[in-house]
Amino acid sequence: KQEVTQIPAALSVPEGENLVLNCSFTDSAIYNLQWFRQDPGKGLTSLLLIQSSQREQTSGRLNASLDKSSGRSTLYIAASQPGDSATYLCALPQTSGSRLTFGEGTQLTVNP
Amino acid sequence: GAVVSQHPSRVICKSGTSVKIECRSLDFQATTMFWYRQFPKKSLMLMATSNEGSKATYEQGVEKDKFLINHASLTLSTLTVTSAHPEDSSFYICSAKPPGQYTEAFFGQGTRLTVV
Repeated sequence: KQEVTQIPAALSVPEGENLVLNCSFTDSAIYNLQWFRQDPGKGLTSLLLIQSSQREQTSGRLNASLDKSSGRSTLYIAASQPGDSATYLCALPQTSGSRLTFGEGTQLTVNP
Repeated sequence: GAVVSQHPSRVICKSGTSVKIECRSLDFQATTMFWYRQFPKKSLMLMATSNEGSKATYEQGVEKDKFLINHASLTLSTLTVTSAHPEDSSFYICSAKPPGQYTEAFFGQGTRLTVV
């Protein structure tokens, strides 16, 4: 059974700082890995999807990496802004097209 | 990206009544949709997998008679909370995935249910 862990659980940084969020998983036989953002009381917004054959994906100030052999993914946020404050979740499907297994999330606060 | 619309975003109901939540995929067909429940400051917990044209698959511990799921078309799944009680108050989120092995999942905006 896949288990997903996110560290740290919470992170507070000053505006402008570069930061890294971590996601680890126990079963390296994955199809892909997805990073989401959740604002309080809202649904999930998909940020990046990395296929199992890829090592990284970039979108604007976000860069996600994937190392299947070590069971890790990182989400790098460059030049953080107060608007980046949210909970960030990583998730993996159990099998192709199946439901996602989520980490507990990292609650990020970027202070002006 | 693809859009999944969930309605209503907030609902307050009295104990003993039923509430229906709709989840629509607006620009793709989804043979499978997923219903999650989220407790405060917790991650998402899968409740059931909604399969178009067949019965939903419920996770262990989820009462299928209480949480009725209907997936009557390729773009619509509904979750009905029957005989709601205050302990059913929660945030419910649906998800859908376009066809294909490597596509990403998209989520609705969520529904905040409060049972009084």
